[in-house]
Amino acid sequence: DAKTTQPPSMDCAEGRAANLPCNHSTISGNEYVYWYRQIHSQGPQYIIHGLKNNETNEMASLIITEDRKSSTLILPHATLRDTAVYYCIVRVEDFGNEKLTFGTGTRLTIIP
Amino acid sequence: GAVVSQHPSRVICKSGTSVKIECRSLDFQATTMFWYRQFPKQSLMLMATSNEGSKATYEQGVEKDKFLINHASLTLSTLTVTSAHPEDSSFYICSARDPREIHNSPLHFGNGTRLTVT
Repeated sequence: DAKTTQPPSMDCAEGRAANLPCNHSTISGNEYVYWYRQIHSQGPQYIIHGLKNNETNEMASLIITEDRKSSTLILPHATLRDTAVYYCIVRVEDFGNEKLTFGTGTRLTIIP
Repeated sequence: GAVVSQHPSRVICKSGTSVKIECRSLDFQATTMFWYRQFPKQSLMLMATSNEGSKATYEQGVEKDKFLINHASLTLSTLTVTSAHPEDSSFYICSARDPREIHNSPLHFGNGTRLTVT
């Protein structure tokens, strides 16, 4: 699976949009971009994923650049409960081999 | 939606004893489950892939005789930490995917088990 690079930490004011970048310059054409987050002492929570088109769901938006070498997760109106470590993961959709490789992620702190 | 449950959420044991952690898929059948370990302030590291009805596949550096995995049914995988030592103290997390979901659907994670070995 392609390696990802994320800033180790970020702060965002409550109510503002949080934009979390991820570089995946070696991504292959059949690799998806997944975002998970982990709130302290809990298991990871799935947020969103995409292949090449931008995606939006009730939690967030995912913007993938045209060359697919980077992406941005957007939390439109951050709340204190969004404080967590956010992981960007790229992986091949290989049915029967769904394991995820986690990097170090970005520790997002929402400031009141 | 698909739910993965772990039990116990916290366990404290004495050095030298064994501890069993359960991972259940509550509303789906999982032929494959994944076990991760996370040390404080570190990321999740995959330990092993649990396969229903066959032997688990361990990642490099993970001792299979120390971390026994049993996946005896389609809804239950267990991880037993044998002869636990303080350095085994960690956060253990399991995950699985609902096979009814589309092929690129995400993995579902349990809420983890905090193991403390004294």
